[in-house]
Amino acid sequence: GENVEQHPSTLSVQEGDSAVIKCTYSDSASNYFPWYKQELGKRPQLIIDIRSNVGEKKDQRIAVTLNKTAKHFSLHITETQPEDSAVYFCAASTISNSGYALNFGKGTSLLVTP
Amino acid sequence: NAGVTQTPKFRVLKTGQSMTLLCAQDMNHEYMYWYRQDPGMGLRLIHYSVGEGTTAKGEVPDGYNVSRLKKQNFLLGLESAAPSQTSVYFCASSATGGNQPQHFGDGTRLSIL
Repeated sequence: GENVEQHPSTLSVQEGDSAVIKCTYSDSASNYFPWYKQELGKRPQLIIDIRSNVGEKKDQRIAVTLNKTAKHFSLHITETQPEDSAVYFCAASTISNSGYALNFGKGTSLLVTP
Repeated sequence: NAGVTQTPKFRVLKTGQSMTLLCAQDMNHEYMYWYRQDPGMGLRLIHYSVGEGTTAKGEVPDGYNVSRLKKQNFLLGLESAAPSQTSVYFCASSATGGNQPQHFGDGTRLSIL
C-alpha cells in the first residue's frame, strides 16, 4: 500500500524565518496531495493542496511544490509567525478496489519562537 | 452549517465494554472516514465509506465495525473495548474521493481502562 514519509518530525524556527517540511510517497498513481494544520486539541484543518497536474501552488505565505518524478512534495511557510506553531500533516491519495482514501504522514511539530 | 459533528466528545470505558461513536455531516458528502490518532503515529485510517450502504477497511480495521445506513451518518463501533484502543478518533467527509479535500470533525477522546 501507499507509504508517506514526512520529515522532519520536529522543527523549531525563529519568527520571520522560513520553514520547510518534506514528504515522499510510494504510489505512482497518487494524484492529490493535501496539507493539514492541527493546533493542540483541535481538528486537522486543510491549509493547502496540490493536484498532480501542477508543480507548485501558493497561497499568501504558504506554498507547496510537487515533483512527481521523484515522488516528493514539500510545504514552504515564509515569514513565520508564532501562530504558525502547530503540527502539520502531509497526505497522498491512494485508490483501491474499495475507492479512494488518503494516507497521512506522521506529522511535523513546528514551533515558531518570537 | 455545522459541517462534521462527532458525538460524544469524551468517553471513558472499561475493558470489554462496547460503544458506538457517531459522525454526522450536513454537506451531502458521498465519502466518510474514521481515523484514529495516537502520539507520533499521525492519522491512521480505520474504515471508510464511499456512499450510503457501503463500507471498506482501512489500514487498522481490527476491533472496529462501521455502518453507513444513511448518507449523512457514519457509525464506528467497538464491540469489546481494549486498552490498545485508547486514542483520539476523528471522522472526516469529502464530496467524492480522489482529489477532494477531507473535512474533519472535532474528534472523540476515548480512554479504555
